Parts: sequence; structure tokens; C-alpha cells
Amino acid sequence: AQKVTQAQTEISVVEKEDVTLDCVYETRDTTYYLFWYKQPPSGELVFLIRRNSFDEQNEISGRYSWNFQKSTSSFNFTITASQVVDSAVYFCALSVVISSGSARQLTFGSGTQLTVLP
Amino acid sequence: DAMVIQNPRYQVTQFGKPVTLSCSQTLNHNVMYWYQQKSSQAPKLLFHYYDKDFNNEADTPDNFQSRRPNTSFCFLDIRSPGLGDAAMYLCATRSGTSTDTQYFGPGTRLTVL
Repeated sequence: AQKVTQAQTEISVVEKEDVTLDCVYETRDTTYYLFWYKQPPSGELVFLIRRNSFDEQNEISGRYSWNFQKSTSSFNFTITASQVVDSAVYFCALSVVISSGSARQLTFGSGTQLTVLP
Repeated sequence: DAMVIQNPRYQVTQFGKPVTLSCSQTLNHNVMYWYQQKSSQAPKLLFHYYDKDFNNEADTPDNFQSRRPNTSFCFLDIRSPGLGDAAMYLCATRSGTSTDTQYFGPGTRLTVL
């Protein structure tokens, strides 16, 4: 069975601070995908990034960066110079590829509510 | 722009009165999903279609049904809504290949009076 843990339920930062959202996952499978989604107050889940289990390269996209470490089963997300518009719930999720090649459903973490104060 | 559309964005129904939520997509994706999300919780998968093949999650109540008349549209029918069914309902789509991501619609927030 798969499990995703986001231990931080709520985080508050002041604008322009850096913030890291933690994600720890559990799976016995060797092939899997990890995702981060953003859910603003409007409710839509916005895809941010996908990383497969064979690619441990960290990624940077503007103010966003992701640190994937298989050794610790973690896929952490950092926002640099946070802005008020970054306020949202952020979900980490895991998808496992089964032998037939089609990905299984997403297993979500419980989400982290990020509030960026002006 | 290609996208996932959900209508209506807000739906109010009465206890026990059937309601239908709709989802359409212009991505031409094979797979469509319905999730239920209650306040401060992660989305919970109800069921999904891979093309016309319907896959129901084991713990999805019988009160929830779904139809997919064609590739573009998928409907969620709640036959007799209870107060506990008030939630955000999210539709998502995914291409049939294993690497593809799920793309979500804006959701329909259901209120049951």
C-alpha cells in the first residue's frame, strides 16, 4: 500500500520569506511518480510538477523548487520569496505504475495550508 | 485552451433530491475521474472511466453513480443526497499513457439543505 505524509498542517510566513513544504512517501514499488498540486481558495487543483522515481534531479521553476531524495523518501517543495498569491493548500501525491504500464490512482497527502501574510 | 470544465460551479439541492454534476474535457483524454473532497481533507476517489470501462472504488456508496456517454463528457449522479454528501466534487482527466498527469477541473461545490 502507498502512503503520503505531509506533517505540516498549516504554515504561516510573511511575504518575501522562503518556505519549505515537506512530503514523505511510502511505497514498495520501484517505479512511481510524485506530484505537487496547489489548491487556491477557488478550489481547483492546479498541477505544479511531476517527478518519476528514476529522476532524482532537483528542479527549479521560477520561485519554485523541488528536492527529491529517494534515500529519505522525501519530495520537498520550496517557495522562494513567497507572495500573498502563494496562499493555498498544497498537496503532495504519489502514483504507482503497475506491471501493465498504466499508472494507478493518486494517493494524496493530507495537504499543507500555506498562508502568506503581507 | 484545452481544459476540464465542470458545471455548475455551485449546486444547492435538497435532502433526498437527485442531483447531477457534469464534467467535460477538451483534452481528448482516455481517463476521467470523479473525486469527493470534504472540508480540510484530501480528495477521495469515487470512481473512474478508462474509455468506457467503469471502475468503482470499493468504498464508494451506491448512492453515487456515473455515466460517460462519450469521450468528452462524464456525469456524476447522486441519487438521494444526504447531508454528509455536501462537499466539493472534482473531475480530473488523464491521457491513457502511464506517464501522464491528472488535470483537474475547477470543481462543483455541493450544498445539501
